Amino acid sequence: QKEVEQNSGPLSVPEGAIASLNCTYSDRGSQSFFWYRQYSGKSPELIMFIYSNGDKEDGRFTAQLNKASQYVSLLIRDSQPSDSATYLCAAILTGGGNKLTFGTGTQLKVEL
Amino acid sequence: KAGVTQTPRYLIKTRGQQVTLSCSPISGHRSVSWYQQTPGQGLQFLFEYFSETQRNKGNFPGRFSGRQFSNSRSEMNVSTLELGDSALYLCASSYSGTGGWNYGYTFGSGTRLTVV
Repeated sequence: QKEVEQNSGPLSVPEGAIASLNCTYSDRGSQSFFWYRQYSGKSPELIMFIYSNGDKEDGRFTAQLNKASQYVSLLIRDSQPSDSATYLCAAILTGGGNKLTFGTGTQLKVEL
Repeated sequence: KAGVTQTPRYLIKTRGQQVTLSCSPISGHRSVSWYQQTPGQGLQFLFEYFSETQRNKGNFPGRFSGRQFSNSRSEMNVSTLELGDSALYLCASSYSGTGGWNYGYTFGSGTRLTVV
C-alpha cells in the first residue's frame, strides 16, 4: 500500500463545476497535509495546507481532512480552464521530520 | 520577496560524470529539501537539511549527496551519473523550526538533468 494515494485521473469537469480531488494516506499518525498544483513543465505550487479535521477554505479552494477515515480532499468551486493541471497531495508522515511524501497526482481537465 | 532559486535550469551530462546542483532558499527559510521528479516515479524525496545538518534522507544510493551552508544555501551532488538519473531535480524551502509546524514547502523551478 502506498503511503499517499491518489487517483491518477484524468478527472474531467465542465467549466463552472465543482472539481473534487481525493487522497488517502496510510499512516494514521500523520498530522500535516498539503495540496500542490503543478502545471505541465512547471514546478509544484502550494495551494493549501491543513492540519485539523474539518474544512479549510481559501477562495475557490476548500481542503477537507478526515483523520478517522484517513483521507484528504480538495474541492475547487467554479472550475476554470486555468485550473487544468496535476494536483499533488502530500503528507508529513509520523517520524518523517519535515519530509513531504507525495502522491502521484491527479490530472484535472476543466473543459469549456 | 525572492523565491527559491535553482541553478542551472538545464544540464546535459555524460554517464559516469558527476554534477552539482545549487539551491538558494527564500530568505529566512532554514529548511531545504531536495526531490527528484520523473514521469514514472513522481516526486521522490532525496534529503532535507536544516541549519547545515541533514535531518532526513530518502532511499537513494550514496551517489546522491548534499550539503547546506551557513547562509542556508544548499547543493546536491550526484556522482557517477547513470542514465536513470535523468530527471527534474527540485529544491524546496520552508520556514520550519526544530519542533514547529511546517507550513509547506515552496519549490524552485528545478534543474532538468539529462544524462546521455
